[in-house]
Amino acid sequence: GAVVSQHPSRVICKSGTSVKIECRSLDFQATTMFWYRQFPKKSLMLMATSNEGSKATYEQGVEKDKFLINHASLTLSTLTVTSAHPEDSSFYICSASRRQNTEAFFGQGTRLTVV
Amino acid sequence: AQSVSQHNHHVILSEAASLELGCNYSYGGTVNLFWYVQYPGQHLQLLLKYFSGDPLVKGIKGFEAEFIKSKFSFNLRKPSVQWSDTAEYFCAVNARGTNAGKSTFGDGTTLTVKP
Repeated sequence: GAVVSQHPSRVICKSGTSVKIECRSLDFQATTMFWYRQFPKKSLMLMATSNEGSKATYEQGVEKDKFLINHASLTLSTLTVTSAHPEDSSFYICSASRRQNTEAFFGQGTRLTVV
Repeated sequence: AQSVSQHNHHVILSEAASLELGCNYSYGGTVNLFWYVQYPGQHLQLLLKYFSGDPLVKGIKGFEAEFIKSKFSFNLRKPSVQWSDTAEYFCAVNARGTNAGKSTFGDGTTLTVKP
């Protein structure tokens, strides 16, 4: 199967700073990637759709200015949590698929802790 | 909008017991259906998927699921669970033609298998 890699796997940052999370498709090109947030004991919540070369599409209720998404190439999407606060602490997961109606591959997730 | 309901929040079984996890979805159109597993500390992995054809789908590790269109259900089953099946299980759905990386997830079911 295809591999999607996230980096870092864990990050601790101070309140008010920004954190960048990378999502890479290692062996396939992903024109579209997705960013999810997973709260403890909760399901995955889709945050945004990341499109290569264009602006991301955000789900209702997700702050565009807080969660900046960039999809600079066919294999890399980044999520930047700006001016992070403790309530932004969560598990962030990306996914990608080669094309429609196929299997999705998930990154291993990034545990963000804001102190 | 799509929604997914997983009825069992936490299931506790002894080894060799049979497993059935419920999943119902709400969507007016044609869907693709997925079951994912998340082992402790690991990323989401696909167990099985249904796009079309035989409604009884077999996946990895002895899991299977049956799509019953009239009931909008896609229950996951395994005849004999093992201690290593202890994990979080997520049912997910997306609209046919949608990128598989974009899905609506259920709240998850925590399965604990006692040795």
